[in-house]
This record gives sequence, structure tokens and C-alpha cells, in this order.
Amino acid sequence: EVLLLESGGGLVQPGGSLRLSCAVSGFTFSNYVMSWVRQAPGKGLEWVSVITGSGESTHLADSVQGRFSISRDNSRNTLYLQMNSLSVEDTAKYYCAKVDGSAYFFDFWGQGTLVTVST
Amino acid sequence: EIVLTQSPGILSLSPGERATLSCRASQSVRSGFLAWYQQRPGQAPRLLLYGASNRATGIPDRFSGSGSGTDFILTISRLEPEDFAVYCCQQYGSSPLTFGGGTTVEIK
Repeated sequence: EVLLLESGGGLVQPGGSLRLSCAVSGFTFSNYVMSWVRQAPGKGLEWVSVITGSGESTHLADSVQGRFSISRDNSRNTLYLQMNSLSVEDTAKYYCAKVDGSAYFFDFWGQGTLVTVST
Repeated sequence: EIVLTQSPGILSLSPGERATLSCRASQSVRSGFLAWYQQRPGQAPRLLLYGASNRATGIPDRFSGSGSGTDFILTISRLEPEDFAVYCCQQYGSSPLTFGGGTTVEIK
């Protein structure tokens, strides 16, 4: 069974930092592209970042470019999202998602972790 | 960036009825690279369809998809109680990946 479990969310002040983690099981982690997708309260889904299986290639949405970084530890089956210079607009539930092996849609999702940026 | 517009925003139907949801792209989606997801309240999204019309593993055949280019349709042939949820489309034909705003299917 494929499982993805996010952690690391919480309340942070504007300008602060957080690191999200996503522990996965049920598939060979290093073989798959992984991604972060977020959903602001009452809003639709927004793709945030993606990383190849080896971790050598990453891409970020323009909205987080220069502030967020994605990484992975294949020995620990864990995906990360380092978030710096957070703003209130980054308030959202952050989902870890597995990218299908054939194309860039998401075949499995975690339950998400909530990040709230507020004073 | 491809903008996906879903309509209607809210669809009020009764169990057993047919639901037809639209996802329109601001430009052609390459190779029909469009997916649909279901999101129940408080739950993570679940993949329903990919490649516009291919059902994901375990998805009942009452869910079907069609379309190409800029216009895509998700059809639920007979609504079951568990189908009342939000449905979202996503294009993966070009970067950045983008999602539609969602259609809420609610009980009438």
C-alpha cells in the first residue's frame, strides 16, 4: 500500500521559515518523481515544486522561486520542502504527491500538512 | 501558463442523476494530457482519470472522461452518495502544471 505522510507544518510569522517532510512507503521511492502541491483555504490546488527521482533536477513555481527549495533523501524515503521568507500568501495545506511514472499527473497524495503564516 | 476554467462552480443534483462537469483550457492541452481528481471534505485529492479518459486503478466505470484540445468533460453516469465532492482538473502537457478551480457536486 502506498502511503505518504507529511509533517512539519505549523504557525509561523511572516518572514519565517519552515521545513516540511513527507515520509513515504509502499513503492520504490528513488524511482519516482515527487512533488509538492498546496491548497490555500477555500481555494483550488496549486503546484509548488517537483523533483526527479535522483534529486538532480528540480523545478519551482514562479510564486515560490527563490524562497522555497525541494530535496529528497532516498535512503530515508523522505521528501522535503524548505520554505523561507514566508508570507501570508503561503498559508495553505501542503500536500506531498507521487508523480505517475509515465507523465506528470499525481497518482497518490498524502493527507497534507497545514502551514499558517500570521502575526 | 495554461489557465483551466471549470464549470459550473456548483452542481446540485440528486443521487442517481447524471453529472457533467466541464474543464476548459486557455490554450490547447498537448496530447490530451489532462487529469481529473476528486476531493472529499477534509481528504486528500484522489486521481480519477488521466489522459483525459483513462480511469485510474480502482475507479468505478460510472466515471468517464472525454475531450481534447481545449475542452474536456468529466461525466458521472449515476451519482452515488460518496460522489458528492469537489472535482478538479489538471493539465500536465506544459509547464507549469496547472489546476482548475474545481466544481462542487452537492446534494440537491
